[in-house]
Amino acid sequence: AQTVTQSQPEMSVQEAETVTLSCTYDTSESDYYLFWYKQPPSRQMILVIRQEAYKQQNATENRFSVNFQKAAKSFSLKISDSQLGDAAMYFCAYRSVREFYFGSGTKLNVKP
Amino acid sequence: GAVVSQHPSRVICKSGTSVKIECRSLDFQATTMFWYRQFPKQSLMLMATSNEGSKATYEQGVEKDKFLINHASLTLSTLTVTSAHPEDSSFYICSATSLASGGSLAKNIQYFGAGTRLSVL
Repeated sequence: AQTVTQSQPEMSVQEAETVTLSCTYDTSESDYYLFWYKQPPSRQMILVIRQEAYKQQNATENRFSVNFQKAAKSFSLKISDSQLGDAAMYFCAYRSVREFYFGSGTKLNVKP
Repeated sequence: GAVVSQHPSRVICKSGTSVKIECRSLDFQATTMFWYRQFPKQSLMLMATSNEGSKATYEQGVEKDKFLINHASLTLSTLTVTSAHPEDSSFYICSATSLASGGSLAKNIQYFGAGTRLSVL
């Protein structure tokens, strides 16, 4: 069965520092997408970044970047220059034509 | 990005009543909409996938007669919780996506509504 695992329930980072959130997944598909979503206290889900499995180059969106290791089925999110507004729940998600799974989430705390 | 409006944001109802939650795509045509349920401090659980003009596809363990989904137009999907009970109290989230021309479903981004907190007394 396809699953998405986030092994860090909670993490903390100092403002302006860098933090990496881990995500691993299991799939037998060759065509799929991976996402990181942010859910702040407002509960509104916001897309942070996405990665197409067939692309070797890691996706980057401003301060957010991923380390996509397809063979290892790993998809970590790096947040650089952390800001107070980055504090939220972060969910890793896997999506293929047939399925869509979320990880259990990582709560990120940002310390001033 | 695209906007998805979900209404109401909060509803409190008595046990045994039915509650309807609306999910609208405001600036794009949503060929597919998804309904999720999120328990406190937990991840999103996909309940069902609805395609415009056809019956929804429910995930295993989700009662079709309990959670009625209608996707009558390309901009509106509704979730009706029938005969609600306290155990149905939860946070319900919808998302919408559209198929890009020639693209597969997996490629398209899901845009999420702000969620509905349902409390059944």
